[in-house]
Amino acid sequence: RKEVEQDPGPFNVPEGATVAFNCTYSNSASQSFFWYRQDCRKEPKLLMSVYSSGNEDGRFTAQLNRASQYISLLIRDSKLSDSATYLCVVNDYKLSFGAGTTVTVRA
Amino acid sequence: EAGVVQSPRYKIIEKKQPVAFWCNPISGHNTLYWYRQNLGQGPELLIRYENEEAVDDSQLPKDRFSAERLKGVDSTLKIQPAELGDSAVYLCASSFLAGTNTEAFFGQGTRLTVV
Repeated sequence: RKEVEQDPGPFNVPEGATVAFNCTYSNSASQSFFWYRQDCRKEPKLLMSVYSSGNEDGRFTAQLNRASQYISLLIRDSKLSDSATYLCVVNDYKLSFGAGTTVTVRA
Repeated sequence: EAGVVQSPRYKIIEKKQPVAFWCNPISGHNTLYWYRQNLGQGPELLIRYENEEAVDDSQLPKDRFSAERLKGVDSTLKIQPAELGDSAVYLCASSFLAGTNTEAFFGQGTRLTVV
């Protein structure tokens, strides 16, 4: 089993829609999680950390479910500029990445 | 403040040739990572340094890959000899402390093509 698994998508959504996707992780002792965003042919950049209580940053909401070992990302009111690959990251010192979920927002 | 700087941005070499990548992390960052990213995949860790010590190199193919981080600042990653399957983007990242909830910052990467 891979350390971090994501639904690859692609999720193709209209502007203004809500899109959500999950990521599962294998190490039940993992404590620290992130969502990174990667645009085509660019480097990954931190989108947000994921806290145990869940957290929100504008239109983005991240949730952590320790019992089921998954984290989720929800994007509300999607913008064209949200089109990217979203990488789930488990920080067990070595930053293990999922393969990414591709989101395409269409006009 | 300068981010993580990598060079070169692009490299095309013939198989069996050597190649080297250079990374200068953000000033003050103790932890430096080298990742390899294949098309359609997430980055995969090759090696992680804490200061000048390689603390995790379990995924580094040691028969052909080597890395160093002299003086605990900048780092080089070398492949010798390169194989066709080494074509990928090599990403360097740095963070202040590993194992905490601190962000890792990535360089723009070196896109390697082995022909």
